[in-house]
Amino acid sequence: EIVMTQSPVTLSVSPGEGATLTCGASQSVTKNLAWYQQKPGQAPKLLLYGVSTRATGIPARFSGSGSETNFTLTISSLQSEDFAVYYCQHYNTWSLAFGGGTKVEIK
Amino acid sequence: QVQLVESGGGVVQPGRSLTLSCAASGFTFRNFAMQWVRQVPGKGLEWLTLIYYDGSIEYYADSVKGRFTISRDNSKNMLYLQMDSLTVADTAVYYCARGAGPMIVPQDYWGQGTLVTVSS
Repeated sequence: EIVMTQSPVTLSVSPGEGATLTCGASQSVTKNLAWYQQKPGQAPKLLLYGVSTRATGIPARFSGSGSETNFTLTISSLQSEDFAVYYCQHYNTWSLAFGGGTKVEIK
Repeated sequence: QVQLVESGGGVVQPGRSLTLSCAASGFTFRNFAMQWVRQVPGKGLEWLTLIYYDGSIEYYADSVKGRFTISRDNSKNMLYLQMDSLTVADTAVYYCARGAGPMIVPQDYWGQGTLVTVSS
């Protein structure tokens, strides 16, 4: 079973600054990697899939990169609505595991 | 628009069973895989189970394999999760989610979740 690990656990960022979140897989997931955003009291929202393809309506300030076991989510200039928890998830095999999440908070 | 509405949550005693339902609308249900994901309040997301678009294949996380059963009724646009032998560790918000395609895919739409509390 593939284990997904995210870092850091918490990231403090000032509005307007960029943020880089990382996600690692215990074995290759090729490019079958998605990112989600979750705000308090809300269901998660799909941001990216296939490592770097933005889901419908997701702004261009969200971008993804990586392959195999190492992945990155970059938010180029944080807006107030971007402060949330972010999860990566692989879907390379039948066990679609999530990472533990990164909380992006206001500095 | 795509809508997923979960129901069936509540308080249940350890060892008992509970069935969750998810009513889907706004899309051609029979063309998409469906999944259940749970979240202990204040904690991270845990993927539980996936069912193919036609119900032919089911996958389960090890934590629920043998206790939970996913099913769907494509004639009624309904998804179900039968949960048996519940324990306190199963206390969580349970989300129904649509797969972005017919088989093993990420979840592109989510319901608002239903809270299951396992307590004596």
